[in-house]
Amino acid sequence: AQSVTQLDSQVPVFEEAPVELRCNYSSSVSVYLFWYVQYPNQGLQLLLKYLSGSTLVESINGFEAEFNKSQTSFHLRKPSVHISDTAEYFCAVRLRNRDDKIIFGKGTRLHILP
Amino acid sequence: DVKVTQSSRYLVKRTGEKVFLECVQDMDHENMFWYRQDPGLGLRLIYFSYDVKMKEKGDIPEGYSVSREKKERFSLILESASTNQTSMYLCASAHQGDNQPQHFGDGTRLSIL
Repeated sequence: AQSVTQLDSQVPVFEEAPVELRCNYSSSVSVYLFWYVQYPNQGLQLLLKYLSGSTLVESINGFEAEFNKSQTSFHLRKPSVHISDTAEYFCAVRLRNRDDKIIFGKGTRLHILP
Repeated sequence: DVKVTQSSRYLVKRTGEKVFLECVQDMDHENMFWYRQDPGLGLRLIYFSYDVKMKEKGDIPEGYSVSREKKERFSLILESASTNQTSMYLCASAHQGDNQPQHFGDGTRLSIL
């Protein structure tokens, strides 16, 4: 069965510093990969997704994630964080050719320190 | 923009009550989902639906049921609410197709007293 592991439950980082949120997955078949963001008191919003093609995908607000098949990872990075990036981030996988549920990681809470 | 609307942001009910959580989406999505979110546990799938009148159990269906009488509406029902069902409930919808992301509502924070 597939699973998603987010190694850090909380990540504190100073404003304007770089950040990496780690995500590893386990699956016996090919997957699609997603990162979602949840701002305080809101639902989840899609941040970025890897479906095929280039292994580096970017979001409109400066985040990027790289699909690494050999390491089964999909880490999320941003070179310089802002206070507005304070949120919880969820990594998720979905099996190719299986139109059903997405498996979510337990989330990483990003704290931006002034 | 896709809009997934959950009928209540906050709800307080008593133990033993029958509770209905409503979710409506406006993008003609075939698939709809109900999750609960608890600190340290992430999102856990309760039920999902591929089509009208169809439902599938997720990972934690016990104590819940669902109803999908119309394509745009997916209801979660707590038949007899218990305190361990106090949680944040999130509804999501998606087009069919395994590369389609899910779109979420803002959630309902349910407290069972």
